[in-house]
Parts: sequence; C-alpha cells; structure tokens
Amino acid sequence: DIQMTQSPSSLSASVGDRVTITCRASQSIRIYLNWYQQTPGKAPKLLIYTASGLQSGVPSRFSGSGSGTDFTLTISSLQPEDFGNYYCQQSYSLPFTFGGGTRVEIK
Amino acid sequence: EVQLVESGGVLVQPGGSLRLSCAASGFTFSTYWMHWVRQAPGKGLVWVSRINSDGSSTDYANSVKGRFTISRDNAKNTLYMQMNDLRAEDTAVYYCARSEHGGRPDYWGQGTRVIVSS
Repeated sequence: DIQMTQSPSSLSASVGDRVTITCRASQSIRIYLNWYQQTPGKAPKLLIYTASGLQSGVPSRFSGSGSGTDFTLTISSLQPEDFGNYYCQQSYSLPFTFGGGTRVEIK
Repeated sequence: EVQLVESGGVLVQPGGSLRLSCAASGFTFSTYWMHWVRQAPGKGLVWVSRINSDGSSTDYANSVKGRFTISRDNAKNTLYMQMNDLRAEDTAVYYCARSEHGGRPDYWGQGTRVIVSS
C-alpha cells in the first residue's frame, strides 16, 4: 500500500495568513493526489483534484501543487470558515490511501 | 443537487452482520462508480470499497475482504454494503461517496455510525 504522510499534524493561524500543508507519498503517484476538507461532524469536501485542479465551487484562495511524491495545499488568505481537518488522498493505485490529516485552527 | 443519504448504522455485537444503504439523488446514479469510506472515532479516513457503475466490478481493502460485500441497485438508485463477521475495529462512521471514473470521490454523504460492541 502507498503510505501518505502529512505535515504538520496541526497548525494555528490568524485570519489572513498564508497556510501551507504538505503531503508526501511513499512512492510516485504522478499527479493523482486529492485534498479534502472536513469540518467537525460533517462529510469530507473535495477541494483539489489531481494535484492542482480546483473543484467547482471551491474558493480560489485554495490551491494545490506537486507531482511524484511531494505535494502542497496552500490557503492564500485564511478565512474563519477554513477551520477543520484537511486530508490528502492518493487515487493512483488501490487501496486508495489518505494522509493522517492536518487540523487547522483559527487563532 | 447531489444527495447521498446513508442509513443502517446501529450497535451490533462482535461477529454480527449489518447492511448499510446509501440512497442517491440529484445525479444519474447508474453512470457513477461508488465508494465506501470509513472513519473510526477520532481517527482519519480509510477507504473501504468501490463498485463500478453497472456493479460488475468491485474492489476492497484487505481489512474487509471476505467479510464485506458492496453492491448496488441502479433501478433504486441505492448503494449497499453487507457487513458480516463484524469486529470491534469496524466501529466507525461509514460514508458513501461517488466518483466519475473510479478514482477520487467528489461528493460524500453525511455518514452512518456503526458500533461493534458487546
């Protein structure tokens, strides 16, 4: 199975800050990397697909980059509604695996 | 509007069985792959299974292979997961989700909670 490692596991930032979350795969997954946001008690929401594609309806302050084994999710200007847990997921090979998550708190 | 509504989650004893359902609406169900993903209390997301659009192809995580069976009824726009020989480690919220080509799930339901305990 492909292991996905996210960092940091948690962060606290102020409204307006630029936030970066990284995800590393244990082997190359080309660009088959997706990012999800999950707020407490809610279903995950797809933000970014195939490393850099912005899902319809997702604000443009979210962006993704990377290929191979190293990927980044960036929130250009953190907003109050951006709190929650963020997960990366590889859809390159089965079983699809998720990173351990990054908890984002608003200062 | 895309809607996925899971049901069937309950408290069940170890070794017991359960069938989860996921009712879909707002899109052409029969053209999408469907997935089950679970989340144990306080833990991260774990992919469990997927089924192709006509139900002819299925895949499972090793942890549930041989115990869980995914299926679908396209006439009823409903996805199922038959869960047998349940274990404590199967305790989780189970989400159904759709995907266009078998890869990334894009829309998810709100989940149904399964508790395996004596």
